[in-house]
Amino acid sequence: TQLLEQSPQFLSIQEGENLTVYCNSSSVFSSLQWYRQEPGEGPVLLVTVVTGGEVKKLKRLTFQFGDARKDSSLHITAAQPGDTGLYLCAGANNFNKFYFGSGTKLNVKP
Amino acid sequence: GAVVSQHPSWVICKSGTSVKIECRSLDFQATTMFWYRQFPKQSLMLMATSNEGSKATYEQGVEKDKFLINHASLTLSTLTVTSAHPEDSSFYICSARPGTSGRMDEQYFGPGTRLTVT
Repeated sequence: TQLLEQSPQFLSIQEGENLTVYCNSSSVFSSLQWYRQEPGEGPVLLVTVVTGGEVKKLKRLTFQFGDARKDSSLHITAAQPGDTGLYLCAGANNFNKFYFGSGTKLNVKP
Repeated sequence: GAVVSQHPSWVICKSGTSVKIECRSLDFQATTMFWYRQFPKQSLMLMATSNEGSKATYEQGVEKDKFLINHASLTLSTLTVTSAHPEDSSFYICSARPGTSGRMDEQYFGPGTRLTVT
């Protein structure tokens, strides 16, 4: 059972465009993390959000945690080819185990 | 800091044999380590939680007798895939949680191990 659903699954855009990736669940999470993964490598943490309604910015990336702590979004402004990768959200349950979303594969074309 | 290594990075084995994968926290002590598997073009699936000095807890549907986990020290956890079959071929990734950070949501991932069973 996939606790977290991400959309879209695939996204191919031109350099300079903006995009938003969504992570949705029917479960409440104590915290939620976003990762980026390159092929053949482990995921790299981008951000952790803990408070409902929280917004965090990391350069061109903006992360938001839903008020009810069931969903999150990742917005990238002016995407660059270096942003290409697999983006994963992961929610922590009350036992602090993380369950990953289905993933969004982003391709930014120059 | 907070570096996690895995060994080997890739391994090919014959069906029916066993394979051991190591996960090490290089510059911190990890009381808890997690093991995930990832099939091509799919997300990470949590397999088990490894706690130093105690038995691992497995997620539903994961065979504990097939995927043996040992966490004998604060810097090392091992996953042994016993009697491997081609369907066990996957990318296995570990993560480690620092024992002294106080942040229960803090974890660092290893680079993964690609297992191919022929």
